[in-house]
Formats: sequence, structure tokens, C-alpha cells
Amino acid sequence: NAGVTQTPKFRVLKTGQSMTLLCAQDMNHEYMYWYRQDPGMGLRLIHYSVGEGTTAKGEVPDGYNVSRLKKQNFLLGLESAAPSQTSVYFCASSYPLGGSGRRGNEQFFGPGTRLTVL
Amino acid sequence: AQTVTQSQPEMSVQEAETVTLSCTYDTSENNYYLFWYKQPPSRQMILVIRQEAYKQQNATENRFSVNFQKAAKSFSLKISDSQLGDTAMYFCAFMNYGGSQGNLIFGKGTKLSVKP
Repeated sequence: NAGVTQTPKFRVLKTGQSMTLLCAQDMNHEYMYWYRQDPGMGLRLIHYSVGEGTTAKGEVPDGYNVSRLKKQNFLLGLESAAPSQTSVYFCASSYPLGGSGRRGNEQFFGPGTRLTVL
Repeated sequence: AQTVTQSQPEMSVQEAETVTLSCTYDTSENNYYLFWYKQPPSRQMILVIRQEAYKQQNATENRFSVNFQKAAKSFSLKISDSQLGDTAMYFCAFMNYGGSQGNLIFGKGTKLSVKP
């Protein structure tokens, strides 16, 4: 049981390049999230998904796109990377609110991806 | 919109001593959860403790306990018998139970150093 995994762990991009971050979970969770963490800040929500085939915007969605074609995977795309997107990106997953008893509100986090845009 | 405030950017404590980290939040909701997450240098986010707003009893998990004051919108974390492995960033987080997305709203964190 690997939990939540993220690929890659580190990446350096040049301004204008594109890339996709992959998040995978093997806990059969319905909900998945992408957060970013900047120095001196807590995590902020970029996009989220409440089920396969669904996505929605979070607090800081500009410059990112997401897809949830399979329940276990949640992809975060940067079409044209900017230095302002230099950050650590975290994926998380959970059961639906109120689901699976007391664990229905616990989010499980991946190890993070450190992205640098030059 | 909900906000979470951690007023202590950094704190330090001697090994085996007790330390309390502060957190306040602002919401108009009545049903919500509060969490403390630990982020060690490895960067992994680890759930420390959670509190359901409808419960009056403060949550405890071994050496970790909270002081939940709903009327004051305060949610502090007490770490007893501090250990070197407790050195980490600690984030307070809020989740609106009534919302459909279940996302967490985080404070900016408190950097805790446990000194030998």
C-alpha cells in the first residue's frame, strides 16, 4: 500500500515550458486535491476533484489545469510555466466528507514535488 | 471566507518540556473540523490531531492535546514531554464540513525547534 505518490520529486523548467505532475493514490479515495506551498505560507488549494471525471477550481487556479480521467490519478498541468509558479506542490486524497466513519475527513498527502521555474 | 491565523512564526522548547502553539480562525460556519499537521524537514505532511467542532471534549493523541475554545475561535496545540523528533513546522488547518469540496485552509505555520 503505497498511499499517495507524486511524480516527479524535483523538476527545473525554463519560463514558457510545459509539464505535467502526476499524483496517484491506491486507497480508493473519491476526493483528490492539488496544493502549493510557498515560503512563509501554508498550503493553498489549486484545484480539486470530488470524483472521476470531475474537477473544480480552488483558491489559486490561474496558470494550471487538471484532469481526473481515472479515479486513482490526478494530473496537474502547467501549459506555460512562469517564475511565480516556483513552489512545492502537494497532492492529497481523502474519502468523501462523512464517509468511512471518522476517517472521512482525513487527507493523506504525497511527499511533494519541488518545482523551480527559471 | 474562512481564515486561519498562527501568530507565532517560530518557537523553541527544551527537550522534555511542554510547549503550546497558538491558532485562531474565523468562520461563520457551525459545522467544521480543525487539524494540526506536522511537516518535518522531509517535507511530508503528517496529521497530528483533529477536532470536530460539535465535540466539546478536547482531542488528545498521546503527548499531543488541544485546547479548543469554540466561542473564542481558538485551537491551540500542546506538546508535552517534547522530543527532538518533534522539531518541525506545525500547521493549523480548517475544514468546512458543510462545503462540498472538503479542502483544508491552512495557517502560515509555526516553526518549532526542540533543543537538547
